[in-house]
Amino acid sequence: DVKVTQSSRYLVKRTGEKVFLECVQDMDHENMFWYRQDPGLGLRLIYFSYDVKMKEKGDIPEGYSVSREKKERFSLILESASTNQTSMYLCASLSPGQGDYTQYFGPGTRLTVL
Amino acid sequence: AQKITQTQPGMFVQEKEAVTLDCTYDTSDPSYGLFWYKQPSSGEMIFLIYQGSYDQQNATEGRYSLNFQKARKSANLVISASQLGDSAMYFCAMREVLNQAGTALIFGKGTTLSVSS
Repeated sequence: DVKVTQSSRYLVKRTGEKVFLECVQDMDHENMFWYRQDPGLGLRLIYFSYDVKMKEKGDIPEGYSVSREKKERFSLILESASTNQTSMYLCASLSPGQGDYTQYFGPGTRLTVL
Repeated sequence: AQKITQTQPGMFVQEKEAVTLDCTYDTSDPSYGLFWYKQPSSGEMIFLIYQGSYDQQNATEGRYSLNFQKARKSANLVISASQLGDSAMYFCAMREVLNQAGTALIFGKGTTLSVSS
């Protein structure tokens, strides 16, 4: 079974803090993704990465950056957290090379910025 | 631009009844894939079922089936014999090609299903 883990289920930070959300997958997937989920808006893509050190912006990248130094790990960084970044953050991975376009998700991190 | 529309914010069903969750999509790409995910209150996204645009038959997985009507651009999820554990939010999603190496999913806004005894 594919396993995607996220470093925290719940996180509380203060405005202006630098926040790191970590995601690790154990299936050697090339593609990894960060989404945020807000009520009434569904899931929106923040950033994705299709290989180590390769990243591309999704639909709502403002205020975020990412890092992918190793294939299994994809980090989302909030350089200076703001209250409008309070949300549920979901990491996902897939391997299009394996012919399976199913995205596998981590358990999510509920971030609150005070 | 690709788009997924779920018009039912909430649905209510009795245990053991069948329920249909609606999903329509818009794409100009002749090759695409459609997914349904379930998200319980705990938050994890659980993959349910997949339909490829060239698949001749509707996808089925246990109590889940996908009513794929290509001409109408709809991909409704049918849950037969609802159970209390089916209470959750359900998302329809479509595969989007981002570049030569990457694909992502675009999601609808979700439908909350409540199953009562």
